[in-house]
Amino acid sequence: KAGVTQTPRYLIKTRGQQVTLSCSPISGHRSVSWYQQTPGQGLQFLFEYFSETQRNKGNFPGRFSGRQFSNSRSEMNVSTLELGDSALYLCASTLGPTQNTEAFFGQGTRLTVV
Amino acid sequence: AQSVTQLGSHVSVSEGALVLLRCNYSSSVPPYLFWYVQYPNQGLQLLLKYTSAATLVKGINGFEAEFKKSETSFHLTKPSAHMSDAAEYFCAVSDGYSTLTFGKGTMLLVSP
Repeated sequence: KAGVTQTPRYLIKTRGQQVTLSCSPISGHRSVSWYQQTPGQGLQFLFEYFSETQRNKGNFPGRFSGRQFSNSRSEMNVSTLELGDSALYLCASTLGPTQNTEAFFGQGTRLTVV
Repeated sequence: AQSVTQLGSHVSVSEGALVLLRCNYSSSVPPYLFWYVQYPNQGLQLLLKYTSAATLVKGINGFEAEFKKSETSFHLTKPSAHMSDAAEYFCAVSDGYSTLTFGKGTMLLVSP
């Protein structure tokens, strides 16, 4: 059974640019969540999608957005990148939003903004 | 609102010694609690989870944690540390849905 796949693993972008990160959840999992990990703030919840609908959103500016496709794959987009957006972005998949089962994490995308 | 406090950003132990990583939580509803481990440049791997079935929870790699409601704690222990246990450990809480609130993490250092 394949795990959670995040692409790309590493990205370097310039301030002001935009970036799109991709996440393919485990087969059969319908809920995808995104987290930002930085040394200063730790792990912070960005948003969660289920059945192509955003169910929950963390406290991040509107520059951070996401979507989910009918095959449960998800993308997140960050526009007008700032230096502070440099972080490890982690995607997690679960069977569904109301089932308290294990969240499986991908290896993450390391975004560096210069 | 939920929150998690992990006491000690770094914990150092000798190989073979007891590992104790502390986690206290705050939740307005009966919590679901988790411990995750992260190795360098990797994602998070679940060690164990508490979902109200039993207060003492056993996980992978010899780790276990005890849920103490009166102390709002969920400390992680392992009787004998191994070099391969060196990693960062995160305690997390959820309200029964998929969104997790994480602690700041504790880096476990194991010396020979």
